[in-house]
Amino acid sequence: AQSVTQPDIHITVSEGASLELRCNYSYGATPYLFWYVQSPGQGLQLLLKYFSGDTLVQGIKGFEAEFKRSQSSFNLRKPSVHWSDAAEYFCAVVPDTGRRALTFGSGTRLQVQP
Amino acid sequence: SQTIHQWPATLVQPVGSPLSLECTVEGTSNPNLYWYRQAAGRGLQLLFYSVGIGQISSEVPQNLSASRPQDRQFILSSKKLLLSDSGFYLCAWTTDRGYNEQFFGPGTRLTVL
Repeated sequence: AQSVTQPDIHITVSEGASLELRCNYSYGATPYLFWYVQSPGQGLQLLLKYFSGDTLVQGIKGFEAEFKRSQSSFNLRKPSVHWSDAAEYFCAVVPDTGRRALTFGSGTRLQVQP
Repeated sequence: SQTIHQWPATLVQPVGSPLSLECTVEGTSNPNLYWYRQAAGRGLQLLFYSVGIGQISSEVPQNLSASRPQDRQFILSSKKLLLSDSGFYLCAWTTDRGYNEQFFGPGTRLTVL
């Protein structure tokens, strides 16, 4: 079945440490890929997106993600985490433009320790 | 610039009562509109999407319904709420090209007691 998987439900890192959040998808073709962040009780904000071209994409707030076709992955990274990065992070794909809707992973909750 | 509004922000309703959540978008025309639900500790589930006035696609069979009476208005309704309808409801829009990023509203927290 087609799906988006975020294997880490909860991650805790120390402030200043590096971060990598994993995302894998299982679609035959390359979908459109997104990372969103959600602060508690808030809507979702787009961090970055990948449609085509350079497989390393830069986003807001110092985040980047790398698309790896061979691994069907789109992992999110940040070299130095700030306390304000504590939130829930969702990977999402648009698997086909006909449906035109996002399929989300189950999310990864990030805690940042001082 | 485009903005998306949802109301109410929070809602507490008894089981069996009706529901109406509203979403409106400003600053764009012919948007694709979406309703998602986020249950506690879970990801987002697509409920409905609409590519035009009166055009509604349902993703999950349930006691909820959606309507799009105007180009930039999207309404989520229920005649009789269930306990399982509790959650965080998010409205989103995108351009009619569909594969651009979706922009989300602030959400409505619904608690059914």
